[in-house]
Amino acid sequence: EPEVTQTPSHQVTQMGQEVILRCVPISNHLYFYWYRQILGQKVEFLVSFYNNEISEKSEIFDDQFSVERPDGSNFTLKIRSTKLEDSAMYFCASNLRVDQPQHFGDGTRLSIL
Amino acid sequence: AQTVTQSQPEMSVQEAETVTLSCTYDTSENNYYLFWYKQPPSRQMILVIRQEAYKQQNATENRFSVNFQKAAKSFSLKISDSQLGDTAMYFCASRIQGAQKLVFGQGTRLTINP
Repeated sequence: EPEVTQTPSHQVTQMGQEVILRCVPISNHLYFYWYRQILGQKVEFLVSFYNNEISEKSEIFDDQFSVERPDGSNFTLKIRSTKLEDSAMYFCASNLRVDQPQHFGDGTRLSIL
Repeated sequence: AQTVTQSQPEMSVQEAETVTLSCTYDTSENNYYLFWYKQPPSRQMILVIRQEAYKQQNATENRFSVNFQKAAKSFSLKISDSQLGDTAMYFCASRIQGAQKLVFGQGTRLTINP
């Protein structure tokens, strides 16, 4: 069964540095999402992306964050200048249509030092 | 505002027992969807079951079933004949029709003991 894949599984970055988290959604899916889960807290929605533009975003998704689909297969989340509080597990998800279940990747654990 | 609450941080049962995980939610919308996701120790979240709010009949998927009480805004998950492979974190989530984001509860860590 096709899967959403995320790389790397663990990323360690110095505070203030830029970081890019990568995702390969399921190949025929059209909607893409990023969520994050700070340790011990709820999974929180960050952003959704469709037709090469952001379709929905939360208040967490401020100017420090950006998303991109640079080619036909990758979907990336960039954090421009990381803060300690950006440390979390970041999950990518995708679906073919909005009314279909979202398929999640394994997540990338981001640790900011 | 849309909120989802899971009041049981951890649960533990013996293999083959039945277990019920609780979830309550709040929304002002009439049309929405509810989900239970399972996150095994390998970390990937997998959809277990979904319920459309306009359907009165409770959804079932093999050993998994829900008790959807719309008036009470309650959406519990029942796992029958629990198996060791059911050990995981379980998340309740909701999505408003027309929106894309899922809103998650805090999760319940379920352990099935041999």
